[in-house]
Amino acid sequence: AQSVTQPDIHITVSEGASLELRCNYSYGATPYLFWYVQSPGQGLQLLLKYFSGDTLVQGIKGFEAEFKRSQSSFNLRKPSVHWSDAAEYFCAVGQSGTYKYIFGTGTRLKVLA
Amino acid sequence: DTAVSQTPKYLVTQMGNDKSIKCEQNLGHDTMYWYKQDSKKFLKIMFSYNNKELIINETVPNRFSPKSPDKAHLNLHINSLELGDSAVYFCASKGQIVNEQFFGPGTRLTVL
Repeated sequence: AQSVTQPDIHITVSEGASLELRCNYSYGATPYLFWYVQSPGQGLQLLLKYFSGDTLVQGIKGFEAEFKRSQSSFNLRKPSVHWSDAAEYFCAVGQSGTYKYIFGTGTRLKVLA
Repeated sequence: DTAVSQTPKYLVTQMGNDKSIKCEQNLGHDTMYWYKQDSKKFLKIMFSYNNKELIINETVPNRFSPKSPDKAHLNLHINSLELGDSAVYFCASKGQIVNEQFFGPGTRLTVL
C-alpha cells in the first residue's frame, strides 16, 4: 500500500542555518510528489512538486527538493532559513491515473532568532 | 479572488446538532476533495468528487454526507455531531491536467 513517512515530528533550526526535511514514500511506480507548507491557522500552500524529469526541483520561497528513486526519498531543503519559515511541512504522494493523495504526518519547523 | 473558499471559517456547536460546511472553487477544476485534519495535524482524505460524481469515500461514518451541486461546489453536511468530529476540515480542488491540489483556508469545527 502507498505510504508517506516524515520521520521528524519537530525540527528546530537557527535563523540563517540550512534546513533539510525528510520524506520517504512507498509506491510501486514513479509517484507524483509534493511538499506543502501550512502556517498557523492557514490552509496548505504548495511549495513544489515532482512529476518527472529533472530530479532536483525548485519551488517557491527558496525551497528545493530532490527525488532519489533508489532511496524512495523526496527531501526538502533550504540553504538559509528565515524566521517566517516556521510552519508545518507536509510531504504528499499522488498516484498516476487516480485521484488519491496520501499525506505524511507533517514536520513542525521552529526557527530560533 | 480566492481560488478555493470555505464557509464558515469557524463553527462551534453542540453534540447532536447537524451542520454544513460549504466549499467553492473558481479555478475551473473538475475534482474536489474534503480532508479532515485532527489535533495532531494528521491530514486524512474523506471524500472526492469528480464532475459531481463521488469517486473516493474513505470509510467515513455515514453521518457525513458530501454534496456536489455542480463541479465548482462541494459541501459537507454532518449529522448528529460528536465530540470526535472536532477538527479542521479542508476543501481542495484539482484540475484535469495538473496533478496538484489547491486548498481552501479550512473550517475549524468545535463540538462541545
